[in-house]
Amino acid sequence: KQEVTQIPAALSVPEGENLVLNCSFTDSAIYNLQWFRQDPGKGLTSLLLIQSSQREQTSGRLNASLDKSSGRSTLYIAASQPGDSATYLCAVGGIYGGSQGNLIFGKGTKLSVKP
Amino acid sequence: SQTIHQWPATLVQPVGSPLSLECTVEGTSNPNLYWYRQAAGRGLQLLFYSVGIGQISSEVPQNLSASRPQDRQFILSSKKLLLSDSGFYLCAAGQGAQAFFGQGTRLTVV
Repeated sequence: KQEVTQIPAALSVPEGENLVLNCSFTDSAIYNLQWFRQDPGKGLTSLLLIQSSQREQTSGRLNASLDKSSGRSTLYIAASQPGDSATYLCAVGGIYGGSQGNLIFGKGTKLSVKP
Repeated sequence: SQTIHQWPATLVQPVGSPLSLECTVEGTSNPNLYWYRQAAGRGLQLLFYSVGIGQISSEVPQNLSASRPQDRQFILSSKKLLLSDSGFYLCAAGQGAQAFFGQGTRLTVV
């Protein structure tokens, strides 16, 4: 059974700092991996999607890497801003019939960027 | 782009009452559909997912059930709610691409 772990559980940094969020998963037979952002009391917004054959994806100040063999992914946020404050969630897509099956989430990292 | 509609946004139900939460998807066909529950301090727990009409996989044994009567409709139900069913319920759609989430239903069982 796939298990997804995110560390740290919470992180507080001053504005402008670069930071790294970590995600690990127990079963390397994955279809893809996604990073999401969740603001308090809201739904989730997809940030980056990495297919199992890819090593990284970039969008603006965000860069996500995937090392499937070691069961790890990192989300790098450059030049953090107060508006980046949110909970960041990692989700691993399982394989079902050659496509994506389940989508298992970690518990998230709650990020606070201080002005 | 995909749009996920979930309703209601909030719901207060007595213990033992039935539940029906509906999720509909626009902008895609034959998506995977997911129901999650987010309880305080426990993260997003996958309850059910569906890869097609009538195909439901249950991830966690519980007193909830799910149905997919149409390609873009996913329903979460319970015959008798428990206090422990309280939480934030999220519907999502996706298939090998970025998953999209609805805005969620906050259910309080009293």
